[in-house]
Amino acid sequence: EAGVAQSPRYKIIEKRQSVAFWCNPISGHATLYWYQQILGQGPKLLIQFQNNGVVDDSQLPKDRFSAERLKGVDSTLKIQPAKLEDSAVYLCASSSGQYNEQFFGPGTRLTVL
Amino acid sequence: DQQVKQNSPSLSVQEGRISILNCDYTNSMFDYFLWYKKYPAEGPTFLISISSIKDKNEDGRFTVFLNKSAKHLSLHIVPSQPGDSAVYFCAARAVSSYGKLTFGQGTILTVHP
Repeated sequence: EAGVAQSPRYKIIEKRQSVAFWCNPISGHATLYWYQQILGQGPKLLIQFQNNGVVDDSQLPKDRFSAERLKGVDSTLKIQPAKLEDSAVYLCASSSGQYNEQFFGPGTRLTVL
Repeated sequence: DQQVKQNSPSLSVQEGRISILNCDYTNSMFDYFLWYKKYPAEGPTFLISISSIKDKNEDGRFTVFLNKSAKHLSLHIVPSQPGDSAVYFCAARAVSSYGKLTFGQGTILTVHP
């Protein structure tokens, strides 16, 4: 069974630029999560989708971050414009149900200069 | 507001000895607790979990203990192996959270041969 795929793996941008990350969850997984992991901290949930609907986006900085999950499968997370403090690893995870095991992708490491 | 805390940033043990990783939480609504293991450049992978109705759960070399009155859990690895060297994250979930996980900061475990 293929795992959660993410791209790109690494991205370096300058502040005020925009960036987008892509996630392909495990086939059949209805629940998809985006986490932000800042160096030295644990992952923090940004947004959770159930199929193509948003379940929780309470910690998503909506003035600059946006996310969508078209057709309830792939998802993209966008930052526009980026700030220095957005430097982090962005992890995508999926699960077959909201209370089932979450499987994580390898993450995208973003550096904002 | 750090609801899940891992106060030891790092732990170093000798191969064959016991590794004990600790985690404290503050939210009384948490009823399910998990440990994840993370290698460099990979996403976290699920290791072991425990429900609040139990005080111990074992899986091979890994045992998780939960002390609800103290809001404390610990992960024991016996015997420790060099391949166990990784970052370990404690995570917690509340029954009404749609599966949302709150992570601790992580503990870097190094097992020396």
